Amino acid sequence: EVQLVQSGAEVKKPGESLKISCKASGYSFTAYWIGWVRQMPGKGLEWMGIIYPGNSDTRYSPSFQGQVTISADKSISTAYLQWSSLKASDTAMYYCVRHPADFWGQGTLVTVSS
Amino acid sequence: DIVMTQTPLSSPVTLGQPASISCRSSQSLVHSDGNTYLTWLQQRPGQPPRLLIYKTSDRFSGVPDRFSGSGAGTDFTLKISRVEAEDVGVYYCTQATQFPWTFGQGTKVEIK
Repeated sequence: EVQLVQSGAEVKKPGESLKISCKASGYSFTAYWIGWVRQMPGKGLEWMGIIYPGNSDTRYSPSFQGQVTISADKSISTAYLQWSSLKASDTAMYYCVRHPADFWGQGTLVTVSS
Repeated sequence: DIVMTQTPLSSPVTLGQPASISCRSSQSLVHSDGNTYLTWLQQRPGQPPRLLIYKTSDRFSGVPDRFSGSGAGTDFTLKISRVEAEDVGVYYCTQATQFPWTFGQGTKVEIK
């Protein structure tokens, strides 16, 4: 059974760093693109970027380039999304998803507040 | 970037009646490999999105056959033949033909 299990909710202060995870199971992790999607409170879905764990090819949507880092560790079938300095505007639900959007993580709620 | 435009943004529907959502892209979604990577997702309140339709018209495993997708090029449609209470939620189209992948704004389906 294909599963994407994300790390738990986070509450952080502005300026702090954060790395959230997405552990895949039930399929060949290196054979599918994994994407990260942001959903701000009460808003729609936004693609942040994608990674191909097989060769670590990573692409960022223009709005997120330089704002986050996407990575993957194929030895443990886990993808990551990280911030070096959070802002209040990063408060959102973040989903990982296997391309072609067939399997989704349960979401990680990130709250950034002073 | 390819812009995805959905209409309507809100769709009040009577139970048992059909519903239709349109999604228009600013460029053709035909990929160089011949496929059209247009996907429809459903997001019920408080849940992650769920795949309904991929490559324009292929229904994902377990999706009821009252959901169907059609279209080509830049114009696509999701149809629900008879709306049920469990269909309430927001529906998104998304394209993965050209990076950056992009979503439509979402269409909220609610019961009248």
